[in-house]
Order: sequence, then C-alpha cells, then structure tokens
Amino acid sequence: AQTVTQSQPEMSVQEAETVTLSCTYDTSESDYYLFWYKQPPSRQMILVIRQEAYKQQNATENRFSVNFQKAAKSFSLKISDSQLGDAAMYFCAYTGTASKLTFGTGTRLQVTL
Amino acid sequence: EAQVTQNPRYLITVTGKKLTVTCSQNMNHEYMSWYRQDPGLGLRQIYYSMNVEVTDKGDVPEGYKVSRKEKRNFPLILESPSPNQTSLYFCASNHLVGAFQETQYFGPGTRLLVL
Repeated sequence: AQTVTQSQPEMSVQEAETVTLSCTYDTSESDYYLFWYKQPPSRQMILVIRQEAYKQQNATENRFSVNFQKAAKSFSLKISDSQLGDAAMYFCAYTGTASKLTFGTGTRLQVTL
Repeated sequence: EAQVTQNPRYLITVTGKKLTVTCSQNMNHEYMSWYRQDPGLGLRQIYYSMNVEVTDKGDVPEGYKVSRKEKRNFPLILESPSPNQTSLYFCASNHLVGAFQETQYFGPGTRLLVL
C-alpha cells in the first residue's frame, strides 16, 4: 500500500521569506500523480499544485513550486515571498492506479510579521 | 459554477440515530469519494465510487454506507452513529483518465458531532 509521510507537523516562516515543506512517499508504481493541497481556517481543501510522475520538469504555480525527486520519492513544496494568507494546513497527497488518493498527516504553516 | 456541495454543513446528533450526509457535484465526474479528517491523521478515505452503481471500500469503511444511484449524487449514511464517528467529513469528485484520477474537487466539509 502507498504511504505518504509529512515529517514536519508545524513550520513557521516570516512574511516575504521562503519556506519548504517536506513530503516523502512510498510506492512501487512508476506512473502516478502527486498533489499539494492547502486547508485554511475555513477548512476548504484547495489545490495548490500537481505533479505528474512522468514529467521531469518540476511544477510551478506563481509563488509555489515543487522539488520532485522521483528516485528519492520526495516531493517538497517551496513557497516563495510568503504572505499572511499562506498560513494554513498543507497536505501532500498521492494517487496511482489504485484509484484512491492517499494523504499525509499535514504540516501547519504559520506566517509571522 | 463548478462545485461539490454537501449538506448539512454542521450536525449534532445522538448515538444510534441514523443520519445521511448528502453530496452532489455538477461537473459530470465519474469518480466520487468520502473522507474523514481527524487531528493528526490527515484525511482518510471512507468509500469511493468509480461510476453509477459501482462503489468500494476505502481505508476506514466501518460504520458507514454509501450508494451511487445517480452520477451526480453520492450520499454517506451512518446507520447507527457512535461518538468515534465525530469528525470532519469531505466529499470529493473528479474525472478519471484511464486508471488515474484527475484533480479532486472537494466539498466544503460537514462537521459532525455524535453525543
């Protein structure tokens, strides 16, 4: 079974600085997708970024980018120029051919002035 | 507007009183699923459905039932709720591309308290 591990329960970053959230996963599949979701205090689940395993290029979305290391099974999220609105819980998730989405336990990001 | 809706958003009930949480999507998605979110455990899948009349268990199906009679609807049924089912519940839907899931769209969540 696939597992997703987020080893940082909490992180803190100063406004305008850069922070990296870690995610590792375990799978025997070669084709799969990885996601980062943001959950603000409203509890809504918001897609931040998505990466297809067959693509070597790291996905980027404005201030959000990933460092996808397929051999190491690592999928970290980098947030540049952090803003107060980035404060949230961030979940890493994996989906392969099993037709289910497996989530990590989340990292709570605090943004300070 | 493309969306997944859930009702009710908040529910307080008592042990043993049957309840249904509805979920509906307007994006013609094949795949729908239910998750529960508990502190420190992330989101865990309860049940999923790959199309009408096709449902299967996720990681934590005990105490729950689902049905998929129409493509747009996927209700979650708790026939005899217990306090350990107090949680935040999410419905989600997405297209399937071959064996893979496209990006999941989540409903706003239903907060359930079982006394």
